[in-house]
Amino acid sequence: GAVVSQHPSRVICKSGTSVKIECRSLDFQATTMFWYRQFPKQSLMLMATSNEGSKATYEQGVEKDKFLINHASLTLSTLTVTSAHPEDSSFYICSALSLMKTYNEQFFGPGTRLTVL
Amino acid sequence: AQSVTQLDSQVPVFEEAPVELRCNYSSSVSVYLFWYVQYPNQGLQLLLKYLSGSTLVESINGFEAEFNKSQTSFHLRKPSVHISDTAEYFCAVSEGNQGGKLIFGQGTELSVKP
Repeated sequence: GAVVSQHPSRVICKSGTSVKIECRSLDFQATTMFWYRQFPKQSLMLMATSNEGSKATYEQGVEKDKFLINHASLTLSTLTVTSAHPEDSSFYICSALSLMKTYNEQFFGPGTRLTVL
Repeated sequence: AQSVTQLDSQVPVFEEAPVELRCNYSSSVSVYLFWYVQYPNQGLQLLLKYLSGSTLVESINGFEAEFNKSQTSFHLRKPSVHISDTAEYFCAVSEGNQGGKLIFGQGTELSVKP
């Protein structure tokens, strides 16, 4: 199956700093990637849809200036959490939509655990 | 707007017992349906999916789910669970005209006890 990687898997940072998370589709091209956020014992909440070569589409309530998304190539999308604060601590998961299938299927990365001190 | 409801937040069950995890959805158009499993501190793994055709779909590790259009349900079942099935299970729906966007249920924590 299609493989999606995320880097880093864990990151701890100080309040006020920015953190970049990478999402890569390793063996397929993805014009569309999704970014999710998951709090402990909760479901995944879609934050934004990342489209290669264009601006991301953010879900209602997600601050686009705080969560910067860049999808510069068909295999890489990045999420930058700017001026992170403790309430941004969460598990961030990306997924990539495969172009090779006849239906829309998302392949998920392993997630990134962000802890803001 | 579409939504997904997983009726049970936690399901404790003994090893080798049968289990059913319930999922209901609401949508006015055709949908694709998915079950994902998540182990602690890991991403999501696709367990099985319904796209079209036979309403009963199966996974390689003994799980099955049946799409019931009239009841708008996609319940997940396994006739005999193992300790290793302990995980969080998410039901998800994608509408055909939403560009692959998934809406997730709240999740069900399956806990298999010896």
